Amino acid sequence: DTGVSQDPRHKITKRGQNVTFRCDPISEHNRLYWYRQTLGQGPEFLTYFQNEAQLEKSRLLSDRFSAERPKGSFSTLEIQRTEQGDSAMYLCASSLGQGALTEAFFGQGTRLTVV
Amino acid sequence: QKEVEQNSGPLSVPEGAIASLNCTYSDRGSQSFFWYRQYSGKSPELIMFIYSNGDKEDGRFTAQLNKASQYVSLLIRDSQPSDSATYLCAVNEGGGSQGNLIFGKGTKLSVKP
Repeated sequence: DTGVSQDPRHKITKRGQNVTFRCDPISEHNRLYWYRQTLGQGPEFLTYFQNEAQLEKSRLLSDRFSAERPKGSFSTLEIQRTEQGDSAMYLCASSLGQGALTEAFFGQGTRLTVV
Repeated sequence: QKEVEQNSGPLSVPEGAIASLNCTYSDRGSQSFFWYRQYSGKSPELIMFIYSNGDKEDGRFTAQLNKASQYVSLLIRDSQPSDSATYLCAVNEGGGSQGNLIFGKGTKLSVKP
């Protein structure tokens, strides 16, 4: 399978715990994005990388969220001290190219439930 | 605040009809425009992209872009029940690295047999 892969697919955690999600992009894609989606809403941008550089991060993103892409391949998204409001689908996407003219493909997402 | 606006629907069309989905965006610097299809509980799937003014056709799908009016649309011809899904319009954020995609809330399409 050469698509974007996310792990785990589902995560249930207790409030206050830390969670980490992994995303493996399409091979050779240099851009990797993280989005969050709640019911009835479109995906909300969190951050994106070009190769290993984190180029943009949403101003809405709490300091509890951090993302890495250490070797320009897979990426991790960590949420510290989870809150019930963090419950959402976390989507990863990847694309090839620079500038604006690049198509992004999504993985199947990680559904987080904070209880 | 840069925004992408879509009619949330639901939009209901009979099987075989043309479904027309519309989207407006606020950022005049945007250069790339995308339509994603999302089935309930699944992740978004890219179905069309358009970078230049005018029409772009791919099978039963036609994307239309009018940058002067900041308007992009998606037409689905010969609609099938399997087209029933939420359709998300996404626009790249102009300025900066231009990599960020801004999504609308989506239009829910229902195709009735």
